[in-house]
Amino acid sequence: QKEVEQDPGPLSVPEGAIVSLNCTYSNSAFQYFMWYRQYSRKGPELLMYTYSSGNKEDGRFTAQVDKSSKYISLFIRDSQPSDSATYLCAMTYNQGGKLIFGQGTELSVKP
Amino acid sequence: GAVVSQHPSRVICKSGTSVKIECRSLDFQATTMFWYRQFPKKSLMLMATSNEGSKATYEQGVEKDKFLINHASLTLSTLTVTSAHPEDSSFYICSAVDSPRGSNYGYTFGSGTRLTVV
Repeated sequence: QKEVEQDPGPLSVPEGAIVSLNCTYSNSAFQYFMWYRQYSRKGPELLMYTYSSGNKEDGRFTAQVDKSSKYISLFIRDSQPSDSATYLCAMTYNQGGKLIFGQGTELSVKP
Repeated sequence: GAVVSQHPSRVICKSGTSVKIECRSLDFQATTMFWYRQFPKKSLMLMATSNEGSKATYEQGVEKDKFLINHASLTLSTLTVTSAHPEDSSFYICSAVDSPRGSNYGYTFGSGTRLTVV
C-alpha cells in the first residue's frame, strides 16, 4: 500500500463547476499537508498549505484536512480553463522534511 | 517570494556521457534541497535529500554512484547523471527548503529539467 493515495483521473469538468480532489494516507504521523498544481513540463507550484486538521480558504480554493479519517481534500470553485493542470497532494511529518506526494490528478476544465 | 532556478531546462546527451543539472536558490539560503524524478503522467519520486556540507541521503533503490549529488553551498545543489543510458531519460525536478515563513513552509520547486539520452 502506498503511503499516499490519489485518484489519477483524468477528471474533466465544464467551466464554472466545483471540483473536488482528494487524497488518503496511511501514516497518522503526517502533520503538514499541501496541494500543488503542476502544468505540463513545469515544476509544481504551491496552492495550499495546512497544518494538522482543519479548513483553509484562499480565493476559489479550499483545503480540508481530516486527520481522524486520514483524508485531505482540495475544492476549486468556479473552475476555469486555466485551472487545467495536474494537482498533487503532498504531506510531511516535520517541517522541512521530505515530502511524500500522491500520484497526481489530471484535471481538464472545458470552456 | 522564494525562487529556485534550475538549469538546463532540457538536455539531450549521448548514451555513456554524464550530465550535470544545477539547482540554485536565488533569494534565500537553502540548507536542504530535494531531487525528484518524474515519469510522464506520474507523480514525483524522491531520489535524494541533499544537505549543505554533508553527503546526500538517497532513497531506497536509487543508485548513489549513478546519480551524484553535491550541495557545496547554501544556494547551489547539483545532480550529475553519470554514464547516462536511455532509461535515465526523465523529468528531473529540484526543491529547496527555506526558513519557515508564517504558515507557508517554503518548499520551492525548480522548473525541471527534461533529460533525453539517445
